[in-house]
Order: sequence, then C-alpha cells, then structure tokens
Amino acid sequence: GAGVSQSPRYKVAKRGQDVALRCDPISGHVSLFWYQQALGQGPEFLTYFQNEAQLDKSGLPSDRFFAERPEGSVSTLKIQRTQQEDSAVYLCASSQRDRYTEAFFGQGTRLTVV
Amino acid sequence: DQQVKQNSPSLSVQEGRISILNCDYTNSMFDYFLWYKKYPAEGPTFLISISSIKDKNEDGRFTVFLNKSAKHLSLHIVPSQPGDSAVYFCAASAFGSARQLTFGSGTQLTVLP
Repeated sequence: GAGVSQSPRYKVAKRGQDVALRCDPISGHVSLFWYQQALGQGPEFLTYFQNEAQLDKSGLPSDRFFAERPEGSVSTLKIQRTQQEDSAVYLCASSQRDRYTEAFFGQGTRLTVV
Repeated sequence: DQQVKQNSPSLSVQEGRISILNCDYTNSMFDYFLWYKKYPAEGPTFLISISSIKDKNEDGRFTVFLNKSAKHLSLHIVPSQPGDSAVYFCAASAFGSARQLTFGSGTQLTVLP
C-alpha cells in the first residue's frame, strides 16, 4: 500500500480483556516499530523488528505486551489482560533502512480500556 | 528524565510570518534529529531531518538548524500558512538508528489567518 495502515482505528476494551492491534507497513520496508503515545505526550518506543526478527523489545512496559511479525511484513501488537493505564494511541511505523532514515507512521489505534 | 524537551507547549503566529519551534536535548550520543508534524486523529508525518555532521538543512519553507554545543535544534517555517497549524514533534536518535526515536512532548503551532 501507499502508507502504513493500522487497524482498528479505535478499540474500546473492558479491563481484563485481551486485544490485538494490526499494522501493515509500507511494502518492502524492512524495519518496523511500535510506539505508545499517551495524551499530551510524544510517542514512546515499544519494540522494533528487522524483517521477522524482534531485535529490541526494551520499551514494552510489561509481559502483558507481546508483538510479532512472523513473515516479515504484517505485525500484531497484543496486550493481554488490559488495564486502564494501557489506554493510549498505539502507533506503528516502518522504514526502508535501519539508520539515518525517517520512519513513516500509520494513523494509530486509539485504545480505551474501561 | 526527558532526553528531548520542547519547552513551549504552544505557539501562535500570523500567516506569512516566521514560525520558530525549539527543541533541546541532553544525550550527547544523539546524532540524528527529525521533525514530525501531527494533525488530530492522524499519525506523525515526517517533515525534515538533520544529522550531526551538518548545522543546517533546508527543504522548501522548512529549515532545521542544529547547534551541537548548545544541544539545541530549531525548526523555522517561512512563510507560515494556516495549513501548518498542527502539533510539531522533535525526535532524536543515537548512531542514526531508527530503532529508538526519542520524542519531545510536542508544540502546538497555530497560524492565524
């Protein structure tokens, strides 16, 4: 596709529910990133993939967060047993290279945990 | 500890005038800097970048200046247009790595017609 596509755009989950957020990166982009953006803040890094390999997951806030990119293209961010503090916009980004290049962001998924 | 700071949460300028958005950083390992623009309900859109081997980079109406000794960068928009009204984020990375961009908290720019 022309840009990074994320689905769903909005998700309301009851506390304790599991959610799965999908990201379709730009075709051919090797690198894929997930960021979390709280209201009024800048995005914060969660995890990074190079092709199907998850090379950095240092930003994942707890073991309830899990990300995968099994075929090196589409990625899924899963949050188990959601809590209110998980409410945020989850942004996916992709880039052609790993260094000295811009990352292109999707529109994000706004997760609200009630 | 915020490694990238945008101390002005908001800025208003008249159409046609210059907009100057500022960003300070603390991590000496940062060597690649980017500016993103964000409209409501959309993801950040890349605007312009600069590596630490330069002190200036221009792209049309947008110019980014980097002062390494002061650990400061700024984005100049000339002339400002109403369509430039958005939140602007400064981001930085070490070794040019796209892996972990560190973002500032953003500045809301409003360009008044």
